[in-house]
Amino acid sequence: GQSLEQPSEVTAVEGAIVQINCTYQTSGFYGLSWYQQHDGGAPTFLSYNALDGLEETGRFSSFLSRSDSYGYLLLQELQMKDSASYFCAVSLTGYSTLTFGKGTMLLVSP
Amino acid sequence: ETGVTQTPRHLVMGMTNKKSLKCEQHLGHNAMYWYKQSAKKPLELMFVYSLEERVENNSVPSRFSPECPNSSHLFLHLHTLQPEDSALYLCASSQESSWVYNEQFFGPGTRLTVL
Repeated sequence: GQSLEQPSEVTAVEGAIVQINCTYQTSGFYGLSWYQQHDGGAPTFLSYNALDGLEETGRFSSFLSRSDSYGYLLLQELQMKDSASYFCAVSLTGYSTLTFGKGTMLLVSP
Repeated sequence: ETGVTQTPRHLVMGMTNKKSLKCEQHLGHNAMYWYKQSAKKPLELMFVYSLEERVENNSVPSRFSPECPNSSHLFLHLHTLQPEDSALYLCASSQESSWVYNEQFFGPGTRLTVL
């Protein structure tokens, strides 16, 4: 089976930088995705890493180390609207089917 | 708006009722998914359809019955549910292609309460 671990909650202030970590145990790992979900909303795709290294998309970056079975989502210049739950998810070789972590609730305060 | 719609948005049903959840995607995708999201638990994949064929069924109780009549529509038929089935049911779609990851687009979900 697959398992993912991420912190349940992270707090930060506006303008700060926050890193949300994700460790995973899977067989046939293909890539790591990140999704954002605001309270009462639908999860939305943020980023995907299949190769080691950093992927940058605006204020958000995602990192993957396949050898360490570890990744993180980095959010810079935090804004109040970034308060949401963030899920890491693994996809297995050959499929887009995702196994999600429990999610990290990010609370951004003024 | 993600291009995936779900109806109804809220549903309250008794344990003896039969109801259906509907999902429609307007993105031209060829794969659709049902997930269950309960408080303090990860999103749980229930069913996967690719090109209208069920390709995955993650040990879901038979009281949940999916139907995919075409690549744009997905249903989840519910009967004799239990209170622990109360959750947010999310539909998603993606453009499936072998060996290449494609992001999933989620609908807003149906908040189901079983009394």
